Amino acid sequence: GQQLNQSPQSMFIQEGEDVSMNCTSSSIFNTWLWYKQDPGEGPVLLIALYKAGELTSNGRLTAQFGITRKDSFLNISASIPSDVGIYFCAGPNSGTYKYIFGTGTRLKVLA
Amino acid sequence: NAGVTQTPKFRVLKTGQSMTLLCAQDMNHEYMYWYRQDPGMGLRLIHYSVGEGTTAKGEVPDGYNVSRLKKQNFLLGLESAAPSQTSVYFCASRRTAQGNSPLHFGNGTRLTVT
Repeated sequence: GQQLNQSPQSMFIQEGEDVSMNCTSSSIFNTWLWYKQDPGEGPVLLIALYKAGELTSNGRLTAQFGITRKDSFLNISASIPSDVGIYFCAGPNSGTYKYIFGTGTRLKVLA
Repeated sequence: NAGVTQTPKFRVLKTGQSMTLLCAQDMNHEYMYWYRQDPGMGLRLIHYSVGEGTTAKGEVPDGYNVSRLKKQNFLLGLESAAPSQTSVYFCASRRTAQGNSPLHFGNGTRLTVT
């Protein structure tokens, strides 16, 4: 079945640094979603991508839908302490009503 | 602007006890989902519903039952809790099954089974 592989699994960065993470699949996705989960809360949608090659920003966050439709990237510029959390990529499982989630990238920001 | 609301937030059960987790959404969404989240495992789908009165199995349905008697509510039941069901449970909903209809999550129920 379809799977999403996220990397890195975890990151420790200094405040002010830029962050990059990615999500890859062996099969094609028509939609890529990026969620952030703060400690003790549910995932919150950050960015949604619907077209191959699409580049979308949300404040300091930028995400791209890979041209092959098998990957997506999320970048965070000038990180701040509240960026701490787990970032998940997700995509709809083709032909079903279900979503597939990556295993997440855990981000820690050192002040 | 409640969105997706889960109750309770925390619960401790003894092995063999039963309980029901409640999920309510006020967005008139058709589709509702129950996930569990365990360390290193990401989010795994337990059961889901594509509309009032319907339910279907996800990846890890064993030991759980669900009901969707009203469109806005999706209940997750544990008939006989086991320590392996210690987890954080998230409910989610979406308006349609189309790709441009993302999931909206509740804040989770943290369940411990001793």
